[in-house]
Order: sequence, then structure tokens, then C-alpha cells
Amino acid sequence: KQEVTQIPAALSVPEGENLVLNCSFTDSAIYNLQWFRQDPGKGLTSLLLIQSSQREQTSGRLNASLDKSSGRSTLYIAASQPGDSATYLCAVITQGGSEKLVFGKGTKLTVNP
Amino acid sequence: SAVISQKPSRDICQRGTSLTIQCQVDSQVTMMFWYRQQPGQSLTLIATANQGSEATYESGFVIDKFPISRPNLTFSTLTVSNMSPEDSSIYLCSVVGDNQPQHFGDGTRLSIL
Repeated sequence: KQEVTQIPAALSVPEGENLVLNCSFTDSAIYNLQWFRQDPGKGLTSLLLIQSSQREQTSGRLNASLDKSSGRSTLYIAASQPGDSATYLCAVITQGGSEKLVFGKGTKLTVNP
Repeated sequence: SAVISQKPSRDICQRGTSLTIQCQVDSQVTMMFWYRQQPGQSLTLIATANQGSEATYESGFVIDKFPISRPNLTFSTLTVSNMSPEDSSIYLCSVVGDNQPQHFGDGTRLSIL
């Protein structure tokens, strides 16, 4: 059974700092990995999708990497801003999983002005 | 990407009652899912909503408690039946379209008294 773990559970940084969020998964036979953002009381916003054959994806100040063999992914946020404050969720689709996402518990990020 | 409208956005219900949540998409999508996010927890898949046939439920979820309909490729409903305080959660609809990552609605925040 696929399990996804995110470390740390919470992170507080000053504005402008670069930071890394970590995600690990137990079954390396994944179809893809997705990073989401969730604001309080809101749904999920898709940030980056990495296919199993890819090593990284970039969108603006965000860069996500994937090391499938070791079961790890990182989300790098450059020059953090207070507007980046949210919970960041990592989720994977296991091969043969019919698009079913398995989520980690998330990292709650606070960027202080 | 598809625009998802989920209603209601929040509700407070009495123990023993039922509530139906609607998920409307502005374009036809291949797959629709229903997730639950309990307080302080990550998202857990309840079921895959299948068009014109019974939903496919994950372990721990049953049709009598969470009946689901999907009459066409743009609409689905989830009913939370005979509610108890343990059902207090955020319920989220998600969709998958052709060559698109999974997208989520804003969710329904449900509290049971």
C-alpha cells in the first residue's frame, strides 16, 4: 500500500528566504507526482505535475524534483513571499492506480513579512 | 483547465440527517472523484464516480453511507447519509480531463452538531 510522508509538518521562514519541502513515498512504481497548494478553507490548487519519466518541473519561483528510485520529491520555493503561506500537499498516482491520488499530510508554510 | 463548481461551500447539519453535495464541471471530463479531508488529516479518496453506473468505493467507504451519482460527464453528487460528528470534514470533488492533471473544486466544509 502506497504511503506518502511530508517533512516538515510545519515551517516558518522570513520573507525572501529560499526553502525546500520534502515528500517521500514507499512504492516507487508511480505514474506521476503532483504538488498542490491549499489555502485555509479552500480547495486544492495544482502547482506542478511530474511524470515518472521526468526529473523536474519548474513554474516561476517553484521547482519540483523527482527521484523515483529513492522515492523522494522536493519542492523548492525561491525568494519566498507572505503570499506563499499555505499548506503544500504532495500526492502520487501509483502505476495501475487509475488516476487515484495518494496524499501526504502536507507541510504548513508560513512566510513572515 | 476545467472550472469546477461545488455546492454548498459549507453547511452545519444536525446529527442523523443527510446532505447532498453537488459538483458541476464546465466541460466534459473523463473521471470524477470524491475525497474527504478530516480535521488535521490529509485527503482520502472516498470513491470514483462512474457515469451511468455504480461508483467504485475505496476500502472503508460504503454506498449506503456515501451514495454517489454521476448522470453525465459534467455532473456528480455525493450524499453523506445519517450524519454523525465523525463526518465533520471537508469533502472535495476532483476531475481528470484529457491530458490534464487532476483538478479540485473548492470543497464543502461540513460540520455536524
